[in-house]
Amino acid sequence: QKEVEQDPGPLSVPEGAIVSLNCTYSNSAFQYFMWYRQYSRKGPELLMYTYSSGNKEDGRFTAQVDKSSKYISLFIRDSQPSDSATYLCAMTLYSGGGADGLTFGKGTHLIIQP
Amino acid sequence: GAVVSQHPSWVICKSGTSVKIECRSLDFQATTMFWYRQFPKQSLMLMATSNEGSKATYEQGVEKDKFLINHASLTLSTLTVTSAHPEDSSFYICSAHAAGQGRNTQYFGPGTRLTVL
Repeated sequence: QKEVEQDPGPLSVPEGAIVSLNCTYSNSAFQYFMWYRQYSRKGPELLMYTYSSGNKEDGRFTAQVDKSSKYISLFIRDSQPSDSATYLCAMTLYSGGGADGLTFGKGTHLIIQP
Repeated sequence: GAVVSQHPSWVICKSGTSVKIECRSLDFQATTMFWYRQFPKQSLMLMATSNEGSKATYEQGVEKDKFLINHASLTLSTLTVTSAHPEDSSFYICSAHAAGQGRNTQYFGPGTRLTVL
């Protein structure tokens, strides 16, 4: 079993729809959860960052973490064609030291149809 | 702000040669830099963690003598793939943690695509 599971898609939805992206993980020690957006031939760009369980909203984006189910989600409201990209979930442990390396899902390729 | 650059963006080399990839934080100081590798249709996989002025910490299964990492300054880390072979062909991405920011705030470079013939 991989540490982080994410459906690679592609996921195709019409413009304006609500998009739901999800990841499951196996290591209960993960405490920090992130969502990155990656365009073709570019590095990942941080979208959302959440510590432990709960919801976080930023504009059209909402991140949810359910540690009891080891399940995280990213919702995109009023989706736009410019949202078309690969969305990567990532998570990390708390080591007590400095910054930590991230464990990524494979990424979901999202296509927003005009 | 928080821009990370990588050079080169792509490189093709012959088997047995060495390739150096640079990762620079352009407008901030990076106390920690990370190197990741991404094979087609696979996750980004952490290779090593590099702290300025100290030896890199490698993930299990990553050969430290093959992937040499140098983090000589707060704005530059280099990854050298020594004696490259076709199986080393991959997309190499670095990230940098900005000193004084949230502990898990990492800014990624655009990546370097390495093809070994």
